[in-house]
Amino acid sequence: GAGVSQSPSNKVTEKGKDVELRCDPISGHTALYWYRQSLGQGLEFLIYFQGNSAPDKSGLPSDRFSAERTGGSVSTLTIQRTQQEDSAVYLCASSLVRTPRETQYFGPGTRLLVL
Amino acid sequence: AQSVTQLGSHVSVSEGALVLLRCNYSSSVPPYLFWYVQYPNQGLQLLLKYTSAATLVKGINGFEAEFKKSETSFHLTKPSAHMSDAAEYFCAVTGTASKLTFGTGTRLQVTL
Repeated sequence: GAGVSQSPSNKVTEKGKDVELRCDPISGHTALYWYRQSLGQGLEFLIYFQGNSAPDKSGLPSDRFSAERTGGSVSTLTIQRTQQEDSAVYLCASSLVRTPRETQYFGPGTRLLVL
Repeated sequence: AQSVTQLGSHVSVSEGALVLLRCNYSSSVPPYLFWYVQYPNQGLQLLLKYTSAATLVKGINGFEAEFKKSETSFHLTKPSAHMSDAAEYFCAVTGTASKLTFGTGTRLQVTL
């Protein structure tokens, strides 16, 4: 079956512009996660959704970052007024249910470069 | 809080040799432990996971890992390396929360 998909695969933007990153989870998966992978910080958790609600936003680096999920499916991560330190690969993952033992399935990521 | 430490950012082995990638964890609650592999320009793929059933866990592509509570370790092994195993490997932990906390990764190089 189809895995987690993300778009765009690559995004180049200028400092100060807003960007939107999209994630399509595996059909039927109720939990959705966003992570960021960067050279300096490694892999770090940003936010997760259970259904359309986001109980844990603790990983969002600043108030320039926001995310939403609609219809219990697609999620969008928005970065406003991008900065060069936002350059990273943004990974989305989904799992059937939100439990600590559940496998998270990852998408291929969106590579963001802020000039 | 949970954390993992991966010893060795780069490991090089000869084709056919034993692969050993080290992971030690810290957790205030019984942990769930995962090994993921990442090939260039791809996302993360689960190799195997420990969820408190058997301590010796077998995964895909001939990999296995053993949970040792006394040593707080979850090392990844494979008896015989293939060229196709060259990739970056991440150990990760969850506790009471579902978010994965990752180690810094180990890049495995396989030489002829």
